[in-house]
Amino acid sequence: GAGVSQSPSNKVTEKGKDVELRCDPISGHTALYWYRQSLGQGLEFLIYFQGNSAPDKSGLPSDRFSAERTGGSVSTLTIQRTQQEDSAVYLCASNGGNKGSPLHFGNGTRLTVT
Amino acid sequence: GQSLEQPSEVTAVEGAIVQINCTYQTSGFYGLSWYQQHDGGAPTFLSYNALDGLEETGRFSSFLSRSDSYGYLLLQELQMKDSASYFCAFDNQAGTALIFGKGTTLSVSS
Repeated sequence: GAGVSQSPSNKVTEKGKDVELRCDPISGHTALYWYRQSLGQGLEFLIYFQGNSAPDKSGLPSDRFSAERTGGSVSTLTIQRTQQEDSAVYLCASNGGNKGSPLHFGNGTRLTVT
Repeated sequence: GQSLEQPSEVTAVEGAIVQINCTYQTSGFYGLSWYQQHDGGAPTFLSYNALDGLEETGRFSSFLSRSDSYGYLLLQELQMKDSASYFCAFDNQAGTALIFGKGTTLSVSS
């Protein structure tokens, strides 16, 4: 596709449920990033995939969060047993993996945990 | 640890010039990026500095001083459409992901 695609665009879930958020990066981009943005806040790094290297999971806030990237393309961020504090916009970005290469962001998934 | 500091809010009028400062702290610093985000939109790339000095792209310029761990984004001839949040972000030698500041909300009035 022309840009980074994320689905769903909005997700409302009940506390305690599991959710899966999907990201389709730009074709050919080797690096994929997940960030979280709470209302009026900055972008909090979650996880980073670069090619076939082991992902950098240092930003994941708890073991309820996990992500995978299949075939070096599509990525899924899973949040288990959601809590109200997980409510945020989850942004995915991709680039060619080179330093200084611009990140191309998707429009995000707005997650609301009730 | 790693951190970035930037002002939370800046206001200006159309046609004016505004400078958004960013100071950072990290080991193995490689470069500083700037992103713009309009309300409800995705962040979009503005500029990247890996070397000291000024990079100019149209009405926007970005500056880096590695010795001072400091950079700024300069916006000239402000327009209403420049009202947005602006984020500085750094990357490291180690190849970790871009780390973002909390952002500066710029409000441009007529």
